[in-house]
Amino acid sequence: AQTVTQSQPEMSVQEAETVTLSCTYDTSESNYYLFWYKQPPSRQMILVIRQEAYKQQNATENRFSVNFQKAAKSFSLKISDSQLGDTAMYFCAFMIHINFGNEKLTFGTGTRLTIIP
Amino acid sequence: GAVVSQHPSRVICKSGTSVKIECRSLDFQATTMFWYRQFPKQSLMLMATSNEGSKATYEQGVEKDKFLINHASLTLSTLTVTSAHPEDSSFYICSARGGAGAKNIQYFGAGTRLSVL
Repeated sequence: AQTVTQSQPEMSVQEAETVTLSCTYDTSESNYYLFWYKQPPSRQMILVIRQEAYKQQNATENRFSVNFQKAAKSFSLKISDSQLGDTAMYFCAFMIHINFGNEKLTFGTGTRLTIIP
Repeated sequence: GAVVSQHPSRVICKSGTSVKIECRSLDFQATTMFWYRQFPKQSLMLMATSNEGSKATYEQGVEKDKFLINHASLTLSTLTVTSAHPEDSSFYICSARGGAGAKNIQYFGAGTRLSVL
């Protein structure tokens, strides 16, 4: 079974600063995908960034980037120039590509991030 | 694009009644939809995976007869909580995945808060 661990239940950072959220996972699979989703107070889950395990290059999306260390099974999220709208619960998630139509997302326990004005 | 609509956003019902929650993909065809349950301040737990035109696949420990899932079209899946009891009170979230070119991304609805009195 796959597990996803987020060791930081809560974090806070001043607006405009950079923050890194950690995530580790455990799997014996070699072909998989990793995601970061944010859940703001509205409870709407929003995809932040996606990484394919076979790609060595770290994914980036504007102010969001990841540090994917496959050997260490680590997938941290860096938010640069943090904004008030980044305040949310952030979930790291893992997916094995089993077969089309049966791709389960396993979520970590989340990190509650607060951006301080 | 990739908008998933979930209704209702909140429902309050009496114990013993049934409640239906709808999940619609508005601008894409969702071959696969997923239903999650989220307890307060906890992560998302996958309940079942539903593929259009076939029976849903339930996760271990999820009662098939209590949580009826129907995925009759490529844009609609429904979750019916039958004979609801207070312990079924929770936040239910659906997600939808498009076809083979969808890059394994799940797009989420805004969730339904169910309160059973």
